[in-house]
Amino acid sequence: QKEVEQDPGPLSVPEGAIVSLNCTYSNSAFQYFMWYRQYSRKGPELLMYTYSSGNKEDGRFTAQVDKSSKYISLFIRDSQPSDSATYLCAMSAPYGNNRLAFGKGNQVVVIP
Amino acid sequence: DGGITQSPKYLFRKEGQNVTLSCEQNLNHDAMYWYRQDPGQGLRLIYYSQIVNDFQKGDIAEGYSVSREKKESFPLTVTSAQKNPTAFYLCASTRQTGNYGYTFGSGTRLTVV
Repeated sequence: QKEVEQDPGPLSVPEGAIVSLNCTYSNSAFQYFMWYRQYSRKGPELLMYTYSSGNKEDGRFTAQVDKSSKYISLFIRDSQPSDSATYLCAMSAPYGNNRLAFGKGNQVVVIP
Repeated sequence: DGGITQSPKYLFRKEGQNVTLSCEQNLNHDAMYWYRQDPGQGLRLIYYSQIVNDFQKGDIAEGYSVSREKKESFPLTVTSAQKNPTAFYLCASTRQTGNYGYTFGSGTRLTVV
């Protein structure tokens, strides 16, 4: 079983819809959870950062962490064509080599 | 502005040739990483370095080499031993602990011709 599972299947939504993305993980030591956004032929940029469980909201973006289920989510409200990108989840533990474990990424296309 | 600079943006390699990808950061970050990204495979770690003059192999180090002579610089050499080098290469850095996330460069697209 991979440490982080993220369904890479492309997701197409109409403009204005809510986009829902998620990742599951197996390592219960993970405490730091991130979402990166990557536009085509660009490097990933940090979009959301959450420590431990709970929700975090930033504008149209909401990140949720459910440690009991080992499940994290990213919601994008009122999606825009500019949200078309690949979204990668990432997470790390507070000890050890501190390397991030990444999901494979989820391509999102918002259709005008 | 602080950040990570990767160069060149596009690189073409002939069969049997070694090429070096540059990665420079002015964020005063301790740790630096090289990833390879292929369609459908996500990010795969090639090498990483947590301190100057020290580096460790990642999951797919064969056919690659690195050096870390300066804190700011972490160049990656793709050797002729790497049989399938065509990919998008990403460099990243972070403070001593990666728990605050990585800062990525804009990537280098390497193509074998």
